[in-house]
Amino acid sequence: GENVEQHPSTLSVQEGDSAVIKCTYSDSASNYFPWYKQELGKGPQLIIDIRSNVGEKKDQRIAVTLNKTAKHFSLHITETQPEDSAVYFCAASIPPYGQNFVFGPGTRLSVLP
Amino acid sequence: ETGVTQSPTHLIKTRGQQVTLRCSSQSGHNTVSWYQQALGQGPQFIFQYYREEENGRGNFPPRFSGLQFPNYSSELNVNALELDDSALYLCASSFKIGTEKETQYFGPGTRLLVL
Repeated sequence: GENVEQHPSTLSVQEGDSAVIKCTYSDSASNYFPWYKQELGKGPQLIIDIRSNVGEKKDQRIAVTLNKTAKHFSLHITETQPEDSAVYFCAASIPPYGQNFVFGPGTRLSVLP
Repeated sequence: ETGVTQSPTHLIKTRGQQVTLRCSSQSGHNTVSWYQQALGQGPQFIFQYYREEENGRGNFPPRFSGLQFPNYSSELNVNALELDDSALYLCASSFKIGTEKETQYFGPGTRLLVL
């Protein structure tokens, strides 16, 4: 079945710097890749997603890139702010089920003031 | 906020007991998925319900079962609780159209502790 790896497991950056989180997946049939942010005591919140027919998507300070050939995708956060501190999860769709995902183990991002 | 609600927020049970967790979907959504999130790990897919029928299942034993009601709310039932069942249980709702991958919106979760 699908397996998703995520790196790094922890990441500390200075406020204003950029943060990059990388994920790889195993099933070439996966075609939808959401990213979620989870704050302490809360459920995961969708921050951006990308489908396999595009290579990059951007939403203000957040961008995601996808390389289907290499089966990896990355989250880029620019101009980081303290409120970006949280655990971030990548996920990949599970074929043949349309709407369910395998999640990565998470990255704990700390933005230092 | 996503509009997905879950109850209760916290629950303590003893080994061997049974538990029922509840989820109300976001308005307009017809599909509910349940996930188990152990401490320090990513969510793991348990199963999904669409139009009141199970539409997919992860690697969980039959003592994990569910229901979806006509109003698209859902229940997760776990029988014969084990210590390893202690986790955050997340419900996610979405709107399914054909085979398109639709975004899932998560509720805040129910934290279950099994003693």
